Amino acid sequence: ETGVTQTPRHLVMGMTNKKSLKCEQHLGHNAMYWYKQSAKKPLELMFVYSLEERVENNSVPSRFSPECPNSSHLFLHLHTLQPEDSALYLCASSQDAGGTTNEKLFFGSGTQLSVL
Amino acid sequence: GEDVEQSLFLSVREGDSSVINCTYTDSSSTYLYWYKQEPGAGLQLLTYIFSNMDMKQDQRLTVLLNKKDKHLSLRIADTQTGDSAIYFCAERHSSASKIIFGSGTRLSIRP
Repeated sequence: ETGVTQTPRHLVMGMTNKKSLKCEQHLGHNAMYWYKQSAKKPLELMFVYSLEERVENNSVPSRFSPECPNSSHLFLHLHTLQPEDSALYLCASSQDAGGTTNEKLFFGSGTQLSVL
Repeated sequence: GEDVEQSLFLSVREGDSSVINCTYTDSSSTYLYWYKQEPGAGLQLLTYIFSNMDMKQDQRLTVLLNKKDKHLSLRIADTQTGDSAIYFCAERHSSASKIIFGSGTRLSIRP
């Protein structure tokens, strides 16, 4: 157990559906992240939140919409996705997000998303 | 630019040493990391090295950093079947709120 819980573990959705991925951390961390993991590609940073404020948005299409209502919870809202969006979506947290400190990431187990 | 590169696959015999290599492009990296991902799980931090060090040893793990060549390696001594996983190299910049990962190297162990 890493202290970061993601639900659901698996999700299959059609291109016209709307769904949400949920992440919760029990570590008292201030920063949370969404990463996308596709086969044979680098792990792709999507969003970074620090103290519930978005500090990084890596040119992610608007069909992905993050929400961070508090420092323990992070959502990724999905709508009108494409088949190429199928991937493992990983949530992570760290004590803080920036500066020169050694920020270690703690990852959840991910949501395996398939878009049909 | 930001780029971290690793080979995708490595196969070693049980009991031998595994060496996983990584190159990165940003010379301002402050910390470099190795994460391990077992099947069906997220990534777990294995070890890390600060950029002013050139070596770090932790039990069976040895990290070597060649800052001039921007090359990082992870050596696993006496590789066991439980070491089968994907190993990700990652770097952190001093001014950025993000950690950049490579594609991961899948380590498989043969008897």
